[in-house]
Amino acid sequence: SYVLTQPPSVSVAPGQTARITCGGNNIGSKSVHWYQQKPGQAPVLVVYDDSDRPSGIPERFSGSNSGNTATLTISRVEAGDEADYYCQVWDSSIHWVFGGGTKLTVL
Amino acid sequence: EVQLVESGGGLVQPGGSLRLSCAASGFTFSSYEMNWVRQAPGKGLEWVSYISSSGSTIYYADSVKGRFTISRDNAKNSLYLQMNSLRAEDTAVYYCARARSVTYYFDYWGQGTLVTVSS
Repeated sequence: SYVLTQPPSVSVAPGQTARITCGGNNIGSKSVHWYQQKPGQAPVLVVYDDSDRPSGIPERFSGSNSGNTATLTISRVEAGDEADYYCQVWDSSIHWVFGGGTKLTVL
Repeated sequence: EVQLVESGGGLVQPGGSLRLSCAASGFTFSSYEMNWVRQAPGKGLEWVSYISSSGSTIYYADSVKGRFTISRDNAKNSLYLQMNSLRAEDTAVYYCARARSVTYYFDYWGQGTLVTVSS
């Protein structure tokens, strides 16, 4: 099986930059996708294919992926960014795998 | 506007069965691969099952293989999940999600339907 490891929580002050990591064996060889989930709501795709943004997602959300770590970066964090964030990958043997999720707290 | 609306959740006893439905609108349903993803209370996301656009290819997570059956009716723009031999650990919100092929991310999600397995 393939395991994606995320920190349980990340805290950041408004206006600062939040970085949420997703670790996996040679994850740089896979495409990584990121979802935002606010309490009581369905997940929303915020970054796909490592670093692309769906329409309607602010440019403050960006992603990178190399080696054994993928990173979701949220610049100029706002109170409305407080949510759980999940990374996800796919391959032909494991199908779909999600990370355990990271709770982003805006101080 | 793409919409996915799940229904069919509820309370069921261990060993019981339930059928979930997902009604799709706002896109050509027959052209897209679809999935079920679940989330146990207070827990993370877990992929459950996949079905190709034609229904010819199906995958299941090991945790539900042999108990759950995914299907679709392209004429009715609907996705289904038949859940048998339900266990307490199947208690979760079940989301249907549209998948984009090649790199397989989920670009649209329904609002979810809660399944509670309890005596």
